[in-house]
Amino acid sequence: AQKITQTQPGMFVQEKEAVTLDCTYDTSDPSYGLFWYKQPSSGEMIFLIYQGSYDQQNATEGRYSLNFQKARKSANLVISASQLGDSAMYFCAMRGHYGQNFVFGPGTRLSVLP
Amino acid sequence: DADVTQTPRNRITKTGKRIMLECSQTKGHDRMYWYRQDPGLGLRLIYYSFDVKDINKGEISDGYSVSRQAQAKFSLSLESAIPNQTALYFCATSVSNYNEQFFGPGTRLTVL
Repeated sequence: AQKITQTQPGMFVQEKEAVTLDCTYDTSDPSYGLFWYKQPSSGEMIFLIYQGSYDQQNATEGRYSLNFQKARKSANLVISASQLGDSAMYFCAMRGHYGQNFVFGPGTRLSVLP
Repeated sequence: DADVTQTPRNRITKTGKRIMLECSQTKGHDRMYWYRQDPGLGLRLIYYSFDVKDINKGEISDGYSVSRQAQAKFSLSLESAIPNQTALYFCATSVSNYNEQFFGPGTRLTVL
């Protein structure tokens, strides 16, 4: 069975600083994909970034980057130059080899301080 | 217009009532999903469908049923609602197994 662990229920970061949100996963699938989503207080789920298990380079999307360490089964999200609008819940998720479903972690609430 | 829409956005109902949540998408995706979100638990998959003739149970399907009326429409039913089904429900779509899912705005359901 697949499992996602996010050990930080809440995080604080000063505006303009970088922050890392932790995500570890467990799977026996030979290939898989890892995703990060943002959920602001308005409730919608916003896709941020994707990393495939066979991708050689860490994914980047603007201020978001994914620090993928396959041997350690971790896929941490790094947000550079935090903005007040980054305050939200962040969910790490994975899909297995056959893509039959997504498994989500419990989320990390990020608060950006002015 | 939003690519994935859900109706209703909010619903309050009573224990034992039948309720249907509807999802429509204009993205042309074959894959559609229903999730529920509870505080501290993230999102959990209820049902998913890879095409009109393909319906599959997810992690927490007990007490729920679904109908895929067309490629663009995927409905979730609670046959006899109970209070612990109070949650935020999301519909999502994806184009393939290897792409992200696109989420609707959510339906906040309260069962009294």
